Amino acid sequence: AQSVTQPDIHITVSEGASLELRCNYSYGATPYLFWYVQSPGQGLQLLLKYFSGDTLVQGIKGFEAEFKRSQSSFNLRKPSVHWSDAAEYFCAVGASGNTPLVFGKGTRLSVIA
Amino acid sequence: DAGVIQSPRHEVTEMGQEVTLRCKPISGHDYLFWYRQTMMRGLELLIYFNNNVPIDDSGMPEDRFSAKMPNASFSTLKIQPSEPRDSAVYFCASSWLQETQYFGPGTRLLVL
Repeated sequence: AQSVTQPDIHITVSEGASLELRCNYSYGATPYLFWYVQSPGQGLQLLLKYFSGDTLVQGIKGFEAEFKRSQSSFNLRKPSVHWSDAAEYFCAVGASGNTPLVFGKGTRLSVIA
Repeated sequence: DAGVIQSPRHEVTEMGQEVTLRCKPISGHDYLFWYRQTMMRGLELLIYFNNNVPIDDSGMPEDRFSAKMPNASFSTLKIQPSEPRDSAVYFCASSWLQETQYFGPGTRLLVL
């Protein structure tokens, strides 16, 4: 069965500091992997996705993620965090973009001055 | 494009009442998904459609829940009768070909 683990429930970083959010997945085949962001009271916005090809993918708002098959990981990174990045971040896995996604429990990011 | 549209954005109702949530997918998208988000269980799939046909409804919690997609532009999720444990945020998402699922803003349901 598919599953996603986001080990960190809550992370606090200083504005301007680098960020890495961890995501580990369990999936029997080559997965489709996604990172979504949810601001308070809002829906989910896609940050980036990995289907195949280059294992380092670039997304919106300066985010990137690296797919590591050997570690079953798809960690999200940003070199310099802005206060507006404070939100909840969800990693998800699926067989494609047209099949149900399995989500992690999310990581809440707080940004301090 | 207006994105996925959901209504109402907020719903407060009393236990036993019927609740109907509505979703308009992005034009041209042929997959539609209903997810539920709770603190305890996170985001979970309830049901999804392809070309208006339900493909997998194994996530629908019980017979009190039903979903329809009468045409490519509209879907409903109905809870009858509603219970306090149904309180959650309900998201609709749509996709096309192998593309990404785009989510609506959600409906925040509170059942008293």
